[in-house]
Amino acid sequence: TQLLEQSPQFLSIQEGENLTVYCNSSSVFSSLQWYRQEPGEGPVLLVTVVTGGEVKKLKRLTFQFGDARKDSSLHITAAQPGDTGLYLCAGVIGTYKYIFGTGTRLKVLA
Amino acid sequence: DSGVTQTPKHLITATGQRVTLRCSPRSGDLSVYWYQQSLDQGLQFLIQYYNGEERAKGNILERFSAQQFPDLHSELNLSSLELGDSALYFCASSPSGGSYGYTFGSGTRLTVV
Repeated sequence: TQLLEQSPQFLSIQEGENLTVYCNSSSVFSSLQWYRQEPGEGPVLLVTVVTGGEVKKLKRLTFQFGDARKDSSLHITAAQPGDTGLYLCAGVIGTYKYIFGTGTRLKVLA
Repeated sequence: DSGVTQTPKHLITATGQRVTLRCSPRSGDLSVYWYQQSLDQGLQFLIQYYNGEERAKGNILERFSAQQFPDLHSELNLSSLELGDSALYFCASSPSGGSYGYTFGSGTRLTVV
């Protein structure tokens, strides 16, 4: 069974702090996505990483794909209350097999 | 607006009943995916259709079925509903496979009473 474990599961921080969320698996992914989901809404795609070692930045969010394409991290600098939500990673194995991570629920307090 | 339209947004029904959830994919997308999200279980993949044909199946119960029509919209049919079927049901679409991610709809919240 392929699993995509995220850590931490829950995170509550103060506005202005930095944080890192991890996404780990024993499987090799052809690509990996990060999504953010707000309560009662569908997940929204933030980024796709494809190449091992790839780093992508989206304003205060930095995404990194592991060299072996088995893991990824999401780093948020100077978190804001608007960053609150459920962060999900999702990995693609081959062409069609798609696995969602277990999720990290982030709360940023003003 | 993501471009993926799901109806209805909310549905309340009794145990034993049957409901149909509808999804219109983003324009140009050929693949449609259905997911179930419960509070304690995260996103569970149910089924994928590509251009009208079933492509992949996940943990979909026998009481559930889906189809994708020639105009590419999809319907998820849930029958003999049980209390445990209460969840958010999401539809997502992509051009073909999911290599570059999915576009999700805003979901249908199903409550079985």
